[in-house]
Amino acid sequence: GAVVSQHPSWVICKSGTSVKIECRSLDFQATTMFWYRQFPKQSLMLMATSNEGSKATYEQGVEKDKFLINHASLTLSTLTVTSAHPEDSSFYICSAPERLAGETQYFGPGTRLLVL
Amino acid sequence: KQEVTQIPAALSVPEGENLVLNCSFTDSAIYNLQWFRQDPGKGLTSLLLIQSSQREQTSGRLNASLDKSSGRSTLYIAASQPGDSATYLCAVSAGGGNKLVFGAGTILRVKS
Repeated sequence: GAVVSQHPSWVICKSGTSVKIECRSLDFQATTMFWYRQFPKQSLMLMATSNEGSKATYEQGVEKDKFLINHASLTLSTLTVTSAHPEDSSFYICSAPERLAGETQYFGPGTRLLVL
Repeated sequence: KQEVTQIPAALSVPEGENLVLNCSFTDSAIYNLQWFRQDPGKGLTSLLLIQSSQREQTSGRLNASLDKSSGRSTLYIAASQPGDSATYLCAVSAGGGNKLVFGAGTILRVKS
């Protein structure tokens, strides 16, 4: 099946710093990618839809100035957590639909962020 | 607003048992439904995808059914193994960008 990668897999940072997470579709092109966050023992919550060549669409309650999304190419989307605080500590997962697989969503392995 | 519910929240069975995980959704206007597996601290692995026009999909020991009109799907796991232990997530897409709405998941433990 299709492969989606994320980098880094783990990041620990100090409060107030910014962290960039990359999501790449390795063997297919994705005009759309999705960013989710998952708190411990909870399900995934959609944060935003990343659109190649245009602005991201954010879900209600998600601060677009805090979670900056850039979809610079058909295989890369980045999520930047700006001025991170401890409450931003979470598991961030991206996904991309693969059109040749009937729109099956393929997920990255996730990035665990810990803000001290 | 679409809501997805999964029952049971947790399940513990002895090895070899056949089991059924349930998923229900409130808005039947879905594009597709997908079952995923998530191991602790890991990302999601797609197990099966059912298009809205389909009734079921099979892959190995897994069979997923979809009854769109009643807003239900089931994931059947035959002859369960300890390696099946994981969290199983159900998610629906309404099309239009393909964003997924997830259920809370069923935590499965298969005892050897």
